[in-house]
Amino acid sequence: DAGITQSPRHKVTETGTPVTLRCHQTENHRYMYWYRQDPGHGLRLIHYSYGVKDTDKGEVSDGYSVSRSKTEDFLLTLESATSSQTSVYFCAISSATYEQYFGPGTRLTVT
Amino acid sequence: AQSVTQPDIHITVSEGASLELRCNYSYGATPYLFWYVQSPGQGLQLLLKYFSGDTLVQGIKGFEAEFKRSQSSFNLRKPSVHWSDAAEYFCAVPNSAQGAQKLVFGQGTRLTINP
Repeated sequence: DAGITQSPRHKVTETGTPVTLRCHQTENHRYMYWYRQDPGHGLRLIHYSYGVKDTDKGEVSDGYSVSRSKTEDFLLTLESATSSQTSVYFCAISSATYEQYFGPGTRLTVT
Repeated sequence: AQSVTQPDIHITVSEGASLELRCNYSYGATPYLFWYVQSPGQGLQLLLKYFSGDTLVQGIKGFEAEFKRSQSSFNLRKPSVHWSDAAEYFCAVPNSAQGAQKLVFGQGTRLTINP
């Protein structure tokens, strides 16, 4: 299995608080992605990175920001969490063949 | 734009029965194609992939898929399912219009296995 970890694995937070989710890889892959998964919506891309300090928006980026200061780490930040951001968040990595490998996910609940 | 359709939201089969999950795609050229599996509470795991060549590809866990260009399909099959195959299955195709190795995923098919 690809070496991808996500932390935390579970988090409960209150509306209006900032939250940062971390994705860490040991594969030295260039591309990294953050998705959210919700019933009835499948997987939706939030942000992605194509190199250190190179990031771009996905289809559901409002309310989220990302940073990638090192190849191995990709951070997703919710500046002010809302109940609509309650979801399961997955990180994925890819090399140059479109294959993506997924982390175990973070279940976030915003109360 | 690239898109993927999985017509069946939920399928139930008996243990030991054969399985076919459907996937149809819209893509401008010969695509790369992927099937992923997600067990409850887990991340997605790559089952198999098609890049080129033989249109029948073998994957892990005894699964196979066949690429049919004329039907724009990449259906997943297994001759005899096991209770452990109960999971959600996703088909995916590259979103090459925007680069960065992005994938477009289908909505998923949830597979239930009856004992």
